[in-house]
Amino acid sequence: EIALTQSPGTLSLSPGERATLSCRASQSVYSSYLAWYQQKPGQAPRLLIYDASSRAIGIPDRFSGSGSGTEFTLTISRLEPEDFAVYYCQQYGSSPWTFGQGTKVEIK
Amino acid sequence: QVQMVQSGAEVKQPGASVKVSCKASGYTFTTYGISWVRQAPGQGLEWMGWISADTGNTNYAQNFQGRVTMTTDTSTNTAYMELRSLTSDDTAVYYCARGSYYAEYFPHWGQGTLVTVSS
Repeated sequence: EIALTQSPGTLSLSPGERATLSCRASQSVYSSYLAWYQQKPGQAPRLLIYDASSRAIGIPDRFSGSGSGTEFTLTISRLEPEDFAVYYCQQYGSSPWTFGQGTKVEIK
Repeated sequence: QVQMVQSGAEVKQPGASVKVSCKASGYTFTTYGISWVRQAPGQGLEWMGWISADTGNTNYAQNFQGRVTMTTDTSTNTAYMELRSLTSDDTAVYYCARGSYYAEYFPHWGQGTLVTVSS
């Protein structure tokens, strides 16, 4: 089973700042099959990025993903008020599919 | 548009079973697999397993092997997840999520079903 470790656990930033979230895998993720989700309280997760760097339909271009192998990054170029939430990475290259423990982006 | 609508909240006693439904619409049901993901209060996301809506083939996470059964009904475009021998650790929101056409990332999610296990 591939374990995903996200860092930092909490990121305290102000609107307009850049956010950089990390997701490290315990083994190489096949074909860079890694996704990022955003979750707000009381809501289901929302897909942001798939295949490490492809934006999902309707996702603003301030969200970008990069990485391969065992190191992946989600970048939010300029934080908008609605971006403060919890973010999860997920690998789907090897069963069982696994999620990271999440990074909370909070308002500083 | 794709919609995944889940059944309502449940309260169960320890040792009981729960069956959660997920009715899909807006796409050809048998074209995609459906996964179930749960989230305990204040915790992260945990993948429970996957079912092919076409063949009924399943792939369960080891943590749930022997205790979970996932099924689909293609006549009603509905997926089901049954979890048995419930304990308080099973208190969580349970989500169904539809995969993409080639891999199991999740563009579409149900609204979630809260299952509370309490005596």
